[in-house]
Amino acid sequence: SQTIHQWPATLVQPVGSPLSLECTVEGTSNPNLYWYRQAAGRGLQLLFYSVGIGQISSEVPQNLSASRPQDRQFILSSKKLLLSDSGFYLCASLTGGRGTGELFFGEGSRLTVL
Amino acid sequence: LAKTTQPISMDSYEGQEVNITCSHNNIATNDYITWYQQFPSQGPRFIIQGYKTKVTNEVASLFIPADRKSSTLSLPRVSLSDTAVYYCLVGALYNQGGKLIFGQGTELSVKP
Repeated sequence: SQTIHQWPATLVQPVGSPLSLECTVEGTSNPNLYWYRQAAGRGLQLLFYSVGIGQISSEVPQNLSASRPQDRQFILSSKKLLLSDSGFYLCASLTGGRGTGELFFGEGSRLTVL
Repeated sequence: LAKTTQPISMDSYEGQEVNITCSHNNIATNDYITWYQQFPSQGPRFIIQGYKTKVTNEVASLFIPADRKSSTLSLPRVSLSDTAVYYCLVGALYNQGGKLIFGQGTELSVKP
């Protein structure tokens, strides 16, 4: 089965600083990849998704960006963090597992912006 | 894109059967219905998936009526470890690509 690696697991950043969260996928190829954010412990907000290398779809206008430089690598970035960027960031991968498609999630990256 | 509506929270006791219903009135023909379980500070985990009628696996059952505008996740004989948030997700298959948007989820609390 798939394994989703995310790092860093936890980080504390000052307002206005840059951000880079990385996600890599093992055990599959050509996945659809997703970045979700979860604030206050509830609700998964879709930020970006990608169906292939270099293909990024943005769901929420904000100061975040995403890139997919390789098939199994997905990066979330920001040039200047805002307080509202604090939250739990989850990377997910979707392939045709079990013949119908199942989202596999990483363990998440918890970001605190001070 | 099918929007989902679930109860915000539910309470139950150990050993009871729990049924969580999700409404998805504008589900598309190609959409599947998938349920996920999430514990605090972890990513959601797949529970069960279906297209129509009934699906059963080792941990849950999924009931989908003929019109597919709702679905019910059934957890038999819950235990304290089933306390979690449960999400209903409606979306297309992998090979059709596209976005997958979660609803707010149902916070299930199982009491002794």
